[in-house]
Amino acid sequence: DTEVTQTPKHLVMGMTNKKSLKCEQHMGHRAMYWYKQKAKKPPELMFVYSYEKLSINESVPSRFSPECPNSSLLNLHLHALQPEDSALYLCASSQEGRNQPQHFGDGTRLSIL
Amino acid sequence: SQQGEEDPQALSIQEGENATMNCSYKTSINNLQWYRQNSGRGLVHLILIRSNEREKHSGRLRVTLDTSKKSSSLLITASRAADTASYFCATDRFGGSNYKLTFGKGTLLTVNP
Repeated sequence: DTEVTQTPKHLVMGMTNKKSLKCEQHMGHRAMYWYKQKAKKPPELMFVYSYEKLSINESVPSRFSPECPNSSLLNLHLHALQPEDSALYLCASSQEGRNQPQHFGDGTRLSIL
Repeated sequence: SQQGEEDPQALSIQEGENATMNCSYKTSINNLQWYRQNSGRGLVHLILIRSNEREKHSGRLRVTLDTSKKSSSLLITASRAADTASYFCATDRFGGSNYKLTFGKGTLLTVNP
């Protein structure tokens, strides 16, 4: 069992839909991350929140909109996605500071029709 | 470009044998981390080695780091079928953001019972 919980596990949506991915951790971590992972590829960083403020946006298209409502929750709002956005979306968290391991959830498998 | 490159891309061994995976990187680092990913799951942190360390052990895992060659190796001893997974190295680039890990392409390890 992972300590980072992601919901839903699977999501199928059309290109005109609006949906949200959710991530929750109760380890007291103040850094939270969104990654995108395509099949047989490594994870690619999308966003980082530190103390509930957006710290890094890796030039992600605006159809992905992150939100950090509190220190335990991280959302990723999706709108007007493209078929190439189909992927595994991973959330992670870590302690602040250098040399900290990241703790990952099991991801949301997203399919865009 | 990818900071880390794992070698080999795929490795198949028999249960009980040792498995060695290598990772090379291009720039100076603060630390190097190894993660495991089982099929359809999130990443699990295995071990972190700092740039001033040369070797680290955790259970059946042994990691070495050679900063002069910009390379690391992960040795799994007495492998088990449950070790079947993808293994990624990830580097924390010196002078870069605390939060930004750059993942290598990964090694797919298959341990045959």
